[in-house]
Amino acid sequence: EDKVVQSPLSLVVHEGDTVTLNCSYEVTNFRSLLWYKQEKKAPTFLFMLTSSGIEKKSGRLSSILDKKELFSILNITATQTGDSAVYLCAVLSSNTGKLIFGQGTTLQVKP
Amino acid sequence: DGGITQSPKYLFRKEGQNVTLSCEQNLNHDAMYWYRQDPGQGLRLIYYSQIVNDFQKGDIAEGYSVSREKKESFPLTVTSAQKNPTAFYLCASSVLRELLSTDTQYFGPGTRLTVL
Repeated sequence: EDKVVQSPLSLVVHEGDTVTLNCSYEVTNFRSLLWYKQEKKAPTFLFMLTSSGIEKKSGRLSSILDKKELFSILNITATQTGDSAVYLCAVLSSNTGKLIFGQGTTLQVKP
Repeated sequence: DGGITQSPKYLFRKEGQNVTLSCEQNLNHDAMYWYRQDPGQGLRLIYYSQIVNDFQKGDIAEGYSVSREKKESFPLTVTSAQKNPTAFYLCASSVLRELLSTDTQYFGPGTRLTVL
């Protein structure tokens, strides 16, 4: 059965800290891995990863995929209180054509 | 402005009642999806539709029903048969009928349903 597992499930840090969120997957016929940020409402798209070893970067956020070890990480440097959110990882399988979501990681950044 | 709208934002219902959640998109997207989100469980797919007048069950379709009479609308009915309906419901859409490796889903703001 296809599955996506995120860790940790929750995390509390202070402003300025660097955090690493993990996403591992067991999905047949992997197509892509997506990261979303959810702040109480609609998840908003962060990154899409399809190739191993190529870092995607947007400001203080970056992500990389390892297709051999079947995982991805999302890094946030110099965290701010506005980074507090649930971060969702999802994998697209060509078997089903649908996204399989992990449980999410709840990040709280304290001032 | 373009996007996905869901209404209402909050919904309360008594046990035994059916309730319909609205989802509308003006993005001209082919595919639409309904997810349920519970604490600690991420998003689980309820139903999805790739074209008008067609839809498929997702992983947790029991107790739910949908229709897709118009491209822009994909309402979800939570029936009295759904044993634990209290949850946050998210609607999403994507450009093409099948989600490509270069595509993503766009989400609405969600409806929080509470059964009293």
